[in-house]
Amino acid sequence: DIQMTQSPSSLSASVGERVTITCRASQSISNYLNWYQQKPGKAPNLLIYAASSLQSGVPSRFSGSASGTDFTLTISSLQPEDFATYYCQQSYSTPLLTFGGGTKVEIK
Amino acid sequence: QVQLVESGGGVVQPGRSLRLSCAASGFTFSIYGMHWVRQAPGKGLEWVALISYDGSNKYYADSVKGRFTISRDNSKNTLYLQMNSLRVEDTAVYYCAKDRWAVVGPTTYFDYWGQGTLVTVSS
Repeated sequence: DIQMTQSPSSLSASVGERVTITCRASQSISNYLNWYQQKPGKAPNLLIYAASSLQSGVPSRFSGSASGTDFTLTISSLQPEDFATYYCQQSYSTPLLTFGGGTKVEIK
Repeated sequence: QVQLVESGGGVVQPGRSLRLSCAASGFTFSIYGMHWVRQAPGKGLEWVALISYDGSNKYYADSVKGRFTISRDNSKNTLYLQMNSLRVEDTAVYYCAKDRWAVVGPTTYFDYWGQGTLVTVSS
């Protein structure tokens, strides 16, 4: 099975800060990596698909990139509504899909 | 707009069964793959099962294989998850999620999610 390791598991940041979350795959997954945002008590929401494509309606401050088996989600300027938990998910081994453990972004 | 509404959750004893439903609207249900994803209390997301657009292909996580059955009724725009031999570790919020594609492949992702239904397995 492909393991997805996210880091950090949590972080504290201030409004306006640049935030970077990393997801590492246990093997090559090409660019088959997606990112979701989940707020407390709510369903996840798709942010980025295919490593770097922004889902329609998602603010442009969110971006994704890839380098080998490392994937990065960047929030260029953190907004109050961005405090949430973020998950990566690989689809390379479809139909066996796996998520990272999540990164909780909290207010500093 | 796309809506996915889960129902059927509740409290059940270990070893018993439960069937979840997911009513879909706002899109052509019969041409998309559909998934169940769960989240144990305070934990991360776990993919559970996938069914192809026509119900001909079904896939399961190892943790539920042989106990859970995914199905769909395209005439009713409804997705189901039959859960048998439930265990305490199956306690979670269960989400149905729409796949971006009809035929699921490595480019797949979940583009819409329901609000979830809580299943609690406890004696």
